[in-house]
Amino acid sequence: DVKVTQSSRYLVKRTGEKVFLECVQDMDHENMFWYRQDPGLGLRLIYFSYDVKMKEKGDIPEGYSVSREKKERFSLILESASTNQTSMYLCASSTGAVNTEAFFGQGTRLTVV
Amino acid sequence: EDKVVQSPLSLVVHEGDTVTLNCSYEVTNFRSLLWYKQEKKAPTFLFMLTSSGIEKKSGRLSSILDKKELFSILNITATQTGDSAIYLCAPTQGGSEKLVFGKGTKLTVNP
Repeated sequence: DVKVTQSSRYLVKRTGEKVFLECVQDMDHENMFWYRQDPGLGLRLIYFSYDVKMKEKGDIPEGYSVSREKKERFSLILESASTNQTSMYLCASSTGAVNTEAFFGQGTRLTVV
Repeated sequence: EDKVVQSPLSLVVHEGDTVTLNCSYEVTNFRSLLWYKQEKKAPTFLFMLTSSGIEKKSGRLSSILDKKELFSILNITATQTGDSAIYLCAPTQGGSEKLVFGKGTKLTVNP
């Protein structure tokens, strides 16, 4: 079974802190994605990566950056956390081949106080 | 701009009812459409639809795609309380294969 693991289920951080959310997949997938999910807004794409060291902005990249130094790991970085970044963060991965599904991690619920 | 609209946004039914969830989309370079079920945590994959008019079925769930009219439906028959979840549809874009999500339909099935 494909496993996508997010390092934390729950995080509480202070405004202005630098925050790292880690995601690791064990199936040698090419593509990895970071979404945030908010009530009434659905899942919105922050960044995605289709190869090591490659990244592309999604729909809401402001306030975030990402890092993919190894194929299995995709990190989301909040350079200076703000309260409006309180959300559920979901990582996903896929093979990158045509017509394949994406697999999701369990999510990290981040609260910025 | 890519757009995915799911309706209804929320639905409350009784066990045994049949429900139809709708998803319309406008996505550049459309490749396929995926349906996911999300309970407390990670969305889990239900169906992938690539061709118009071909129904995919899994137990009490079924789904179909209309690529001409740009929509998909997810049917659940004889609903059970375990079907309570958020149902997400996500067209994929060719090239990046990224998923564009709708806001989801929150289904509540009461005993």
